[in-house]
Amino acid sequence: LAKTTQPISMDSYEGQEVNITCSHNNIATNDYITWYQQFPSQGPRFIIQGYKTKVTNEVASLFIPADRKSSTLSLPRVSLSDTAVYYCLVVANNAGNMLTFGGGTRLMVKP
Amino acid sequence: KAGVTQTPRYLIKTRGQQVTLSCSPISGHRSVSWYQQTPGQGLQFLFEYFSETQRNKGNFPGRFSGRQFSNSRSEMNVSTLELGDSALYLCASSLAGTGGAGYTFGSGTRLTVV
Repeated sequence: LAKTTQPISMDSYEGQEVNITCSHNNIATNDYITWYQQFPSQGPRFIIQGYKTKVTNEVASLFIPADRKSSTLSLPRVSLSDTAVYYCLVVANNAGNMLTFGGGTRLMVKP
Repeated sequence: KAGVTQTPRYLIKTRGQQVTLSCSPISGHRSVSWYQQTPGQGLQFLFEYFSETQRNKGNFPGRFSGRQFSNSRSEMNVSTLELGDSALYLCASSLAGTGGAGYTFGSGTRLTVV
């Protein structure tokens, strides 16, 4: 299983763009890069998933370089409600798969 | 559509007792997986069920067990509770349990063992 490394915590201010980078040096060919968000006392919520290049949805963008050994989650113009823990996962597209969560990045958005 | 429902939300049990937690997945979802979240160990995979069969199991002792019913609802059971079992137990449902996207988590059951 590919292990991920991401910063333990980050601080930002409202209205700024936040970029959280995740390293996954041992990513396998059939692995996807997936990000989840978790608020206190709630279950994680899926944000975005990608395989290579760039993926964008209404919430975030995910940038993946050609070697796929890292990825960057970009949150445009964060607000206080974006304060949460963000998890980077590398997941194989196999049946019965389990999600392996690392420690995540605790993002604090300040006014 | 209704989300993933976990009951009860909070539970206090005594060491040595057993507990059963319930998870109702999103309608149409056939995969249900369970996770334990603690401050020290983070989020850890317990097991995954699909069509009433356990397909994958995490590294937990046999005191942790689960099952899935024909309507996809799932239960997990922890016997002979220990203080270290105090945690937030989360279940996640998905259509087929493949890949990393498409998993919807419930709000969890907060278990406290005293």
